[in-house]
Amino acid sequence: DSGVTQTPKHLITATGQRVTLRCSPRSGDLSVYWYQQSLDQGLQFLIQYYNGEERAKGNILERFSAQQFPDLHSELNLSSLELGDSALYFCASSVGDDSSYEQYFGPGTRLTVT
Amino acid sequence: AQKITQTQPGMFVQEKEAVTLDCTYDTSDPSYGLFWYKQPSSGEMIFLIYQGSYDQQNATEGRYSLNFQKARKSANLVISASQLGDSAMYFCAMSHRSGGGADGLTFGKGTHLIIQP
Repeated sequence: DSGVTQTPKHLITATGQRVTLRCSPRSGDLSVYWYQQSLDQGLQFLIQYYNGEERAKGNILERFSAQQFPDLHSELNLSSLELGDSALYFCASSVGDDSSYEQYFGPGTRLTVT
Repeated sequence: AQKITQTQPGMFVQEKEAVTLDCTYDTSDPSYGLFWYKQPSSGEMIFLIYQGSYDQQNATEGRYSLNFQKARKSANLVISASQLGDSAMYFCAMSHRSGGGADGLTFGKGTHLIIQP
C-alpha cells in the first residue's frame, strides 16, 4: 500500500458526460501528479500540483482540468467525454516540488466511456 | 524532448535466475532522475528504485539494482534470484528539471516479464 488513495476504483459513463476523479496524497507529500495509461498512448503525464498551485502541464486536453485543495487532496475533472478517454488514471504524490523525488502511485481509477 | 526506450516487449525467465531489463534514455538535460516501476496484473504502480544523474554509485534496493551507464545513456534494472511474484510489467521512467521548473515522469512502453517455475 503506497499510502495514496484514489476514488472511485471504477467508473463507467457515457460519451459527452463529465466525471470527477479524486486523489488523496500520502501524509506529508505536497505534490500531486496525474497520469493517464491507455493501450495506445501508454503512460502519459497530465498535470502536477504542488501545495495548491499548478506546477507543470503535460499532455492534458483542454476538456480536462484539475485542482488541489487546501487539505492537499486533488481532483481531476474530465468533461465532454469521448470513447478515447477510456483509460486508467493514476494519481501519484511526492514530497518535493520537482520530479526528482520518488513518486508513489495510487491504485488508479479505471474509466470506461461507452 | 525526452525519450525512454525499452526494447524488450516481453521476457520469459526461469525462477531463481537473474534478470536484466533494458532501458535507454535520451535527454539534453544535465540533471535528471531515472526510475523503475513494477505494474502487476492488478494494475497498481509500485516504485522499485531511483538513480540520480549525479549519483556516483549504482542504486540498489534489496534484490533490485540499477546498472547506470551514463555515457551510454542506459539504466538497466537487474533483479537477482527472480521469484514467481516478480511476474509483471516493468516500466522505466525519467524525470527532468528544465528551466528551473517541474515536470512529470516520461515513461517507456514497458517490458512484460514472466517468471516460469
